[in-house]
Amino acid sequence: SAVISQKPSRDICQRGTSLTIQCQVDSQVTMMFWYRQQPGQSLTLIATANQGSEATYESGFVIDKFPISRPNLTFSTLTVSNMSPEDSSIYLCSVVAGGPYEQYFGPGTRLTVT
Amino acid sequence: KQEVTQIPAALSVPEGENLVLNCSFTDSAIYNLQWFRQDPGKGLTSLLLIQSSQREQTSGRLNASLDKSSGRSTLYIAASQPGDSATYLCAVEIYNQGGKLIFGQGTELSVKP
Repeated sequence: SAVISQKPSRDICQRGTSLTIQCQVDSQVTMMFWYRQQPGQSLTLIATANQGSEATYESGFVIDKFPISRPNLTFSTLTVSNMSPEDSSIYLCSVVAGGPYEQYFGPGTRLTVT
Repeated sequence: KQEVTQIPAALSVPEGENLVLNCSFTDSAIYNLQWFRQDPGKGLTSLLLIQSSQREQTSGRLNASLDKSSGRSTLYIAASQPGDSATYLCAVEIYNQGGKLIFGQGTELSVKP
């Protein structure tokens, strides 16, 4: 298994600003992902964070809006840029750890944009 | 395009009942299926993972089954307790999609004392 922490746990931000969310894992993992959960909705994959290269984004998500860094095998950041109220969501990072490719999720970052 | 559906959307039962949550998916070319629990405002806790070659997995009072050919999975909870109250999500991982999970909308379970 894997233990994942995220910072901040929650934040309230003003429209037009940016917020960087950190994800720390207690072990080295190859596969790391960022998901969004909008109010009352299920989870949607934003991107796969690739160590040492650019993230791979899903349809509907772009690097300018959600830049991602992955400097090593235990850490990643997701930035939500130029925020609007529609970005109010829970943002979760996940990793694949152990066999057979079970995914583990962090506690999430609850973002409210006013 | 893979779609995952969970029925019912919400369920309220008295403590002690056995219950079944349902999950269906449209494309049987899956690598595995995973059941999660989510408490209000929290992250996801992995409950059970069933690989595509398996039929079921058990953990304590939980049993998950998988019928890949019919595109269905069930999560059976025995002797439900108030502490089981949460939203239960199923997710499938598709072959050759680099670990991407497709989630259902979840079943919100309330177990009344």
